[in-house]
Amino acid sequence: QQQVRQSPQSLTVWEGETAILNCSYEDSTFNYFPWYQQFPGEGPALLISIRSVSDKKEDGRFTIFFNKREKKLSLHITDSQPGDSATYFCAASVGTQVVGQLTFGRGTRLQVYA
Amino acid sequence: GALVYQYPRRTICKSGTSMRMECQAVGFQATSVAWYRQSPQKTFELIALSTVNSAIKYEQNFTQEKFPISHPNLSFSSMTVLNAYLEDRGLYLCGARNIANSDYTFGSGTRLLVI
Repeated sequence: QQQVRQSPQSLTVWEGETAILNCSYEDSTFNYFPWYQQFPGEGPALLISIRSVSDKKEDGRFTIFFNKREKKLSLHITDSQPGDSATYFCAASVGTQVVGQLTFGRGTRLQVYA
Repeated sequence: GALVYQYPRRTICKSGTSMRMECQAVGFQATSVAWYRQSPQKTFELIALSTVNSAIKYEQNFTQEKFPISHPNLSFSSMTVLNAYLEDRGLYLCGARNIANSDYTFGSGTRLLVI
């Protein structure tokens, strides 16, 4: 059973639009949710993260919205740029002060056209 | 900033042979190192979680006999793929957990091709 699910599998938006990437999880003990951005040939890079005590986390053009009751979260990328084209992974972990091992979703491949 | 270097970046080995990959944390102390394999379909499989001064915890379907790991200090870890076969192909990622903020920083991976 997949613990972390992502949708859509791929997403195409035009430059300037807002891209919305969705993530849901099964394990209610997960309390830390990082998003990673991965370009072809590279490893995943931490983009933004949120803990379950918050319902929103914003960092520049990237915002995470978190719904603990529904066990869902989403990553919003506003004013999308061609350089944002990459695969985005939602991950989840259990941990308070120390992050435990990460469980990854299968990723959303984002393509931003100029 | 926190960086993780993995080497080699890419390696090709003959079926049945072994290869060793290394992971170096730079600019921070890594209390834990998680080794993942990313398949061509992009899914991540956790191989093992290694914490300094603790036993290495292997996930189901991965064993120490097949993927021995060394984690001698807070900046270095290595993993060997023994008797590699086609199903071992993939991108092996090392994620080092920062003692300061507990986030995982990943290297660029070692891509293993088996022929």
